[in-house]
Amino acid sequence: AQKITQTQPGMFVQEKEAVTLDCTYDTSDQSYGLFWYKQPSSGEMIFLIYQGSYDEQNATEGRYSLNFQKARKSANLVISASQLGDSAMYFCAMRERTGNQFYFGTGTSLTVIP
Amino acid sequence: NAGVTQTPKFQVLKTGQSMTLQCAQDMNHNSMYWYRQDPGMGLRLIYYSASEGTTDKGEVPNGYNVSRLNKREFSLRLESAAPSQTSVYFCASIRRANQPQHFGDGTRLSIL
Repeated sequence: AQKITQTQPGMFVQEKEAVTLDCTYDTSDQSYGLFWYKQPSSGEMIFLIYQGSYDEQNATEGRYSLNFQKARKSANLVISASQLGDSAMYFCAMRERTGNQFYFGTGTSLTVIP
Repeated sequence: NAGVTQTPKFQVLKTGQSMTLQCAQDMNHNSMYWYRQDPGMGLRLIYYSASEGTTDKGEVPNGYNVSRLNKREFSLRLESAAPSQTSVYFCASIRRANQPQHFGDGTRLSIL
């Protein structure tokens, strides 16, 4: 079974609108961390936001927030007030407490339309 | 701030040739990782090193070997390159659990 599932291969959003990128995960660990990365067309991987499984509050970093629903095992990324520079691939990843590996989803390509 | 440095950035090989991808980090991180990225597949873990002196296989280790030379350096070797190993390779590192990985800029490898 896939550890991380991103079901939206491509998404479009109008500039200045909000967009939600979906991520579901599969683990039996009680302790784990969830990460979102951005990969622009230039290719580098940029860390955006982190959510720990025991964090009571949803993580926020500027225009990025994480809609964490533990019971549903989902960790959706919300980007508010989209900008043209947000056009990129977005990857969700998880690290379980019991291992050293990070598991990545297949990514969502976001295009911001002017 | 060098962070994670990968060399080379681009390489073209012929089938059967060997080569080593180099990765070095200057952040005193304990764990280091090698991934490959293929279209539509996300990042897949090849090998990782949880700490100096240890290495473990990831999801797609076949055809690769690694060496954790010291705390700073983690190299990936292709002994006999195959066209299926054409990919973009990323090295990453972290200090400890629940911290994000820091990535190098990637190596774009083409095998003809």
